[in-house]
Amino acid sequence: GAVVSQHPSWVICKSGTSVKIECRSLDFQATTMFWYRQFPKQSLMLMATSNEGSKATYEQGVEKDKFLINHASLTLSTLTVTSAHPEDSSFYICSARPPTGKLNTEAFFGQGTRLTVV
Amino acid sequence: AQKITQTQPGMFVQEKEAVTLDCTYDTSDPSYGLFWYKQPSSGEMIFLIYQGSYDQQNATEGRYSLNFQKARKSANLVISASQLGDSAMYFCAMRGLSGGYNKLIFGAGTRLAVHP
Repeated sequence: GAVVSQHPSWVICKSGTSVKIECRSLDFQATTMFWYRQFPKQSLMLMATSNEGSKATYEQGVEKDKFLINHASLTLSTLTVTSAHPEDSSFYICSARPPTGKLNTEAFFGQGTRLTVV
Repeated sequence: AQKITQTQPGMFVQEKEAVTLDCTYDTSDPSYGLFWYKQPSSGEMIFLIYQGSYDQQNATEGRYSLNFQKARKSANLVISASQLGDSAMYFCAMRGLSGGYNKLIFGAGTRLAVHP
């Protein structure tokens, strides 16, 4: 099946620093990718839709200046958590699906990134 | 707006028994797709099964089957012959027209524990 790779798997950073997370579709081109955030024992909450060559679409309540998304190519989207604070500590996971145009094509997910801000 | 509801925070099942995980949804989209994903403790999301809103038959994939009742807006996952490796979080998700047939919205999830 299609593969989506996310890097890094985990990261620890100091408060006030920025962290970049990469999401790559390895064997298909993805004009759209999605970034989710998951708190412990909770569901995946969609943060934003990353659009290749244009601005990301953020969900209500998500700070676009805090969570910078760049989708510079058809296989790479990045999420940068700027000026990270302990409350940004969470599991971040990206997804993409092959552009088949079919409703039944499942989304493939990256391995996720566990961010801890100290 | 689309909404997915999973009312069972946790479920227990004996190994080799069948278990049903509930999922109800709400949408005004005429066409939509329903998905189930498994999330082990490692965090990866594993696709299990898909049901289209216009599919006449309930979907099946190996030990997984989907009990789709469109009028009740429910899409329950049935796992037959449970195995210890089935212990994980299970999420029901939906994709529909209002999300551009692209955006997946997830339910709160159900944690399944399989006992020997």
